Amino acid sequence: SAVISQKPSRDICQRGTSLTIQCQVDSQVTMMFWYRQQPGQSLTLIATANQGSEATYESGFVIDKFPISRPNLTFSTLTVSNMSPEDSSIYLCSVGAETEAFFGQGTRLTVV
Amino acid sequence: GDSVTQMEGPVTLSEEAFLTINCTYTATGYPSLFWYVQYPGEGLQLLLKATKADDKGSNKGFEATYRKETTSFHLEKGSVQVSDSAVYFCALINRGGKLIFGQGTELSVKP
Repeated sequence: SAVISQKPSRDICQRGTSLTIQCQVDSQVTMMFWYRQQPGQSLTLIATANQGSEATYESGFVIDKFPISRPNLTFSTLTVSNMSPEDSSIYLCSVGAETEAFFGQGTRLTVV
Repeated sequence: GDSVTQMEGPVTLSEEAFLTINCTYTATGYPSLFWYVQYPGEGLQLLLKATKADDKGSNKGFEATYRKETTSFHLEKGSVQVSDSAVYFCALINRGGKLIFGQGTELSVKP
């Protein structure tokens, strides 16, 4: 199993600013995943973060808006840049294997 | 690519009614399958899972059977309670550990 510490748990931010979300895993993992859950919606994968290489972004998500860092095998950050109210969502990091997945506690972001 | 399709909600039932939420998937190979539940204002919780064909996952009275021949993983409960009101997500995990979620089904149980 894996335990993921994610912070902040929630934040209220002004439009036009940026927020960096951190995830720390208690074991080394090859890939970490970042998801977004917009209000009333399902979870959508933003990107896959690999250590030592650039993140792989899903369709509709770009690096300029959601830059990701992965400096080592236990840590990753996601930045939500130049925020607008449409970015108000829950952001989750995750690690997984073939038979199970583990999530951070989530970051509830409100942009005003 | 891999995908998960759930029946649309909302689903409204009376207490003690039988529940079925349909879920079908498209995937390469035989992924593990999951049901997650999200109660109002709370985070995602794993409800049950199945890792191979014909496996039955169960928890809190909910069950789902991994059906390879119909690529389905329908969620069932024999007698729902008001406290089961939540949004239910079906998901699969591919070889790389990436989760693919269905669109979610909102369940409302009336007393």
